[in-house]
Amino acid sequence: KNEVEQSPQNLTAQEGEFITINCSYSVGISALHWLQQHPGGGIVSLFMLSSGKKKHGRLIATINIQEKHSSLHITASHPRDSAVYICAVSPNTGNQFYFGTGTSLTVIP
Amino acid sequence: KAGVTQTPRYLIKTRGQQVTLSCSPISGHRSVSWYQQTPGQGLQFLFEYFSETQRNKGNFPGRFSGRQFSNSRSEMNVSTLELGDSALYLCASSTFRLVNEQFFGPGTRLTVL
Repeated sequence: KNEVEQSPQNLTAQEGEFITINCSYSVGISALHWLQQHPGGGIVSLFMLSSGKKKHGRLIATINIQEKHSSLHITASHPRDSAVYICAVSPNTGNQFYFGTGTSLTVIP
Repeated sequence: KAGVTQTPRYLIKTRGQQVTLSCSPISGHRSVSWYQQTPGQGLQFLFEYFSETQRNKGNFPGRFSGRQFSNSRSEMNVSTLELGDSALYLCASSTFRLVNEQFFGPGTRLTVL
């Protein structure tokens, strides 16, 4: 049983396209995190959400607590956005940290 | 502020050996978490330390252990290494709680032969 499900697993887009990555979870949470991992392994935290919507540059993250669903949007995608995007949740029991399997994004010039 | 540092960056061991990995958190961060990443299982939570105490633990065997020192630096130990322990081991620090924003180190790539 996976507490966090992500879709799609792989995504290829043309430069400039609008991209959406989805995340669904099955546990009650304190927060949801969107992470970015580039080849070589380094992980960067993009967003931490407990409600509503956050925006940072061309990236937008939304969460619907009632539906247990979050989306990460990238507007005007660029080849440098090519990376693996990972959704993770902190359950409100506070004793674990669950990850989705990641979405591998490739943006073609 | 310096970021999270991990040493060593790469390590090759043989089955049955033990290994110790080190993580230095961002200055002022008191929570350190450890994660294992493999192609088959993805990212999995190992454990979290705060103020020298293990607060949370994932579903890993007792061969995986850790500790945190008074300066918040943390070490992770894996005893009796198995081939399946080959992975990228990441640590992350945060200011207080696991739910807070996590800042990740570059990872230690462990290969078990």
